[in-house]
Amino acid sequence: AQKVTQAQTEISVVEKEDVTLDCVYETRDTTYYLFWYKQPPSGELVFLIRRNSFDEQNEISGRYSWNFQKSTSSFNFTITASQVVDSAVYFCALSTNNAGNMLTFGGGTRLMVKP
Amino acid sequence: DVKVTQSSRYLVKRTGEKVFLECVQDMDHENMFWYRQDPGLGLRLIYFSYDVKMKEKGDIPEGYSVSREKKERFSLILESASTNQTSMYLCASRRARGLPNEKLFFGSGTQLSVL
Repeated sequence: AQKVTQAQTEISVVEKEDVTLDCVYETRDTTYYLFWYKQPPSGELVFLIRRNSFDEQNEISGRYSWNFQKSTSSFNFTITASQVVDSAVYFCALSTNNAGNMLTFGGGTRLMVKP
Repeated sequence: DVKVTQSSRYLVKRTGEKVFLECVQDMDHENMFWYRQDPGLGLRLIYFSYDVKMKEKGDIPEGYSVSREKKERFSLILESASTNQTSMYLCASRRARGLPNEKLFFGSGTQLSVL
């Protein structure tokens, strides 16, 4: 069985603060894929990033960065200098061949960035 | 850009009514999904379809059925709506090639209230 845990249900920060959203996953598969999605108030989940289990290189895209650590089964997401437009619910998800290629989602973290 | 369109953004129904939620995608994706989103529970898979006329149960299929007569359209049916089916329903699609690495494209969701 596979599982994704996002322990932080809600985070509130003030604009320009840095914030890290935690994601811990469980799987017995050696090949797997991790995803982050953003759900703004409009409701539509938007894809942010995917990583495969063989690529532990961290990634940076503008103010966003992701830290993948297999040793701790974590795939954390950091927003640097947060902005009000970053306010959304963020989901971490896991996909493997042996789970029928289905995505397992975490419970989501609601991020509120105040001006 | 891929577009996944859900027929209604908000829907109010009465207990016992038969409810149809429609989803259409315009990118010729083979796979389509229905998720239910509840606070703290993340996204839970109700049903999915690998291709036309194919359907598979997800994690919480009870009380729901689906129909996929055409590749672009995937319908979720609540045979007899109950108050515990009040929720946000999200449709998603994905191309089959490259699984399980493929990302999902989501609709904006239907907030269903059953009174």
